[in-house]
Amino acid sequence: DVKVTQSSRYLVKRTGEKVFLECVQDMDHENMFWYRQDPGLGLRLIYFSYDVKMKEKGDIPEGYSVSREKKERFSLILESASTNQTSMYLCASSFAGAGNIQYFGAGTRLSVL
Amino acid sequence: EDKVVQSPLSLVVHEGDTVTLNCSYEVTNFRSLLWYKQEKKAPTFLFMLTSSGIEKKSGRLSSILDKKELFSILNITATQTGDSAVYLCAVSYGGATNKLIFGTGTLLAVQP
Repeated sequence: DVKVTQSSRYLVKRTGEKVFLECVQDMDHENMFWYRQDPGLGLRLIYFSYDVKMKEKGDIPEGYSVSREKKERFSLILESASTNQTSMYLCASSFAGAGNIQYFGAGTRLSVL
Repeated sequence: EDKVVQSPLSLVVHEGDTVTLNCSYEVTNFRSLLWYKQEKKAPTFLFMLTSSGIEKKSGRLSSILDKKELFSILNITATQTGDSAVYLCAVSYGGATNKLIFGTGTLLAVQP
């Protein structure tokens, strides 16, 4: 079974803090993705990575950065958290190539106060 | 602009009912359409559809794609309370990057 593990289910941070969200997958997938999910807006792609140290911006990258130093781990970084980044964050991974299934982690619900 | 639209936004049914969830899309370079089920945890994969008119089936769930009319439906027969969830439709597009564009989801509540 594919396993995508996100380090925290719930996280509460203060405005201006630097926040790290970690994601680990155990299926040797080349691709990894970070989404945020908001009511009425669905899942929106923040960043994705198609190989170690390789990354591309998604649809809403502003205020975020990512790091992929090892194939199995993909980190999302909020350099200076703001209240409008309060959201559910979902990590996913897949094999390379179109038409491969993305497998998701359980999500991290982040509240920025 | 690429988009995926799901309807209805939410639905309340009783156990044993049959439901049909809809997903329409306008996406350049369509590759496949995927359905996921999301309870209070990770979205779990249900189906991937790439060809028109071929029904995919898993137990009480089934799905079909119409690439001419650009839509898909997800059917659930004999619903159970465990079917209560948000159902997400996503379209895979483009080349090797395997990106998805999601609809906003349909919230299904099955009452005993």
